[in-house]
Amino acid sequence: DTGVSQDPRHKITKRGQNVTFRCDPISEHNRLYWYRQTLGQGPEFLTYFQNEAQLEKSRLLSDRFSAERPKGSFSTLEIQRTEQGDSAMYLCASSLVSGSPYEQYFGPGTRLTVT
Amino acid sequence: AQKITQTQPGMFVQEKEAVTLDCTYDTSDQSYGLFWYKQPSSGEMIFLIYQGSYDEQNATEGRYSLNFQKARKSANLVISASQLGDSAMYFCAMRGPSSGGYQKVTFGTGTKLQVIP
Repeated sequence: DTGVSQDPRHKITKRGQNVTFRCDPISEHNRLYWYRQTLGQGPEFLTYFQNEAQLEKSRLLSDRFSAERPKGSFSTLEIQRTEQGDSAMYLCASSLVSGSPYEQYFGPGTRLTVT
Repeated sequence: AQKITQTQPGMFVQEKEAVTLDCTYDTSDQSYGLFWYKQPSSGEMIFLIYQGSYDEQNATEGRYSLNFQKARKSANLVISASQLGDSAMYFCAMRGPSSGGYQKVTFGTGTKLQVIP
């Protein structure tokens, strides 16, 4: 059994470029979450999916951000026209729909640096 | 809105000693859940322990226990017999309806624990 995986682990990009991150959840988990974590802070919720449906989006998710989960398995998070303020760790998590306490299992994160 | 407060940015503990990491929360919800996660320097968030708001007994998981005081709105994490591998960031988190959806989790700012040999 493998945990949540994320690719790439590190990404350095120039301001204005587009970037895309991938998350593969635990196979039987039907909920998938994206968080952003800046230095010295806890993770901040961005969005979550149940199967392929995107059920909630944070106001942090500007129109430059888009997330998809086309077949209810892996998910992608795209940032268009990156800005230096987008530099952060992007964390993906997954969980089951049923069965308390619905704890979320996190991947190792993708660290984005925008220069 | 829900809020998690962790007032200890950093803590030191001697190996084999117990340590308490503080967490207070604010919510108007009657039903909510409280979590603690560990984040080593590798970056991955590791689930440690969960307490439901209606659970009468404090949660325990191995060397971790959650000291839940509902009236005080506190959910402190107690780590017994600290080990060097416990050195990490620790985040308190809450899930509840008023966070905009029952599955959305709000995290505190974390406490960096360092275990001294």
